[in-house]
Amino acid sequence: GAGVSQSPSNKVTEKGKDVELRCDPISGHTALYWYRQSLGQGLEFLIYFQGNSAPDKSGLPSDRFSAERTGGSVSTLTIQRTQQEDSAVYLCASSDSGTVYSEQYFGPGTRLTVT
Amino acid sequence: DQQVKQNSPSLSVQEGRISILNCDYTNSMFDYFLWYKKYPAEGPTFLISISSIKDKNEDGRFTVFLNKSAKHLSLHIVPSQPGDSAVYFCAASAYFNKFYFGSGTKLNVKP
Repeated sequence: GAGVSQSPSNKVTEKGKDVELRCDPISGHTALYWYRQSLGQGLEFLIYFQGNSAPDKSGLPSDRFSAERTGGSVSTLTIQRTQQEDSAVYLCASSDSGTVYSEQYFGPGTRLTVT
Repeated sequence: DQQVKQNSPSLSVQEGRISILNCDYTNSMFDYFLWYKKYPAEGPTFLISISSIKDKNEDGRFTVFLNKSAKHLSLHIVPSQPGDSAVYFCAASAYFNKFYFGSGTKLNVKP
């Protein structure tokens, strides 16, 4: 079946512009996660959704970052007024429940470059 | 402050030999640990996990060892194969849904 998909695969934007990154999770998966990986760093947790609600937003680095999930499916991560330090690979994952024991399936990521 | 550390950014091993990838953590509340494998241009894929009530978990060629007193986790791959060449991430969780990932170790298995 279809895995987690993300779009765009690559995004180059100018500093100060807003960007939207999209994640399509595996159908039926209730939990959705966003991570980012900066150069030479590990995956950094950003936000977790269970259904349409986000019980854990603790990883969002600033108020320029926001995310939503509609219909318990597609999620968008929005970065406003992008800065060069936002350059990273943004990864989305989904799982069939919200527990750590449920395997997270990752998408291929969106590589964001802020010039 | 990184709570999960993989201090070796890369490792090169001959095909057929053992690969040992290491991971250290600082939070004694972590009770569930995983390893993920990542190929270029793909998302990470789950490899193997271990709960803190165990000190070893085996799945085919892959074995994860947990030393809680040392706060140390290792992944053994025996025998190593060229297809194992990838970046390996360890991850740890202290509660319900949040994982902390290491920075990854790039494994190169030479034919």
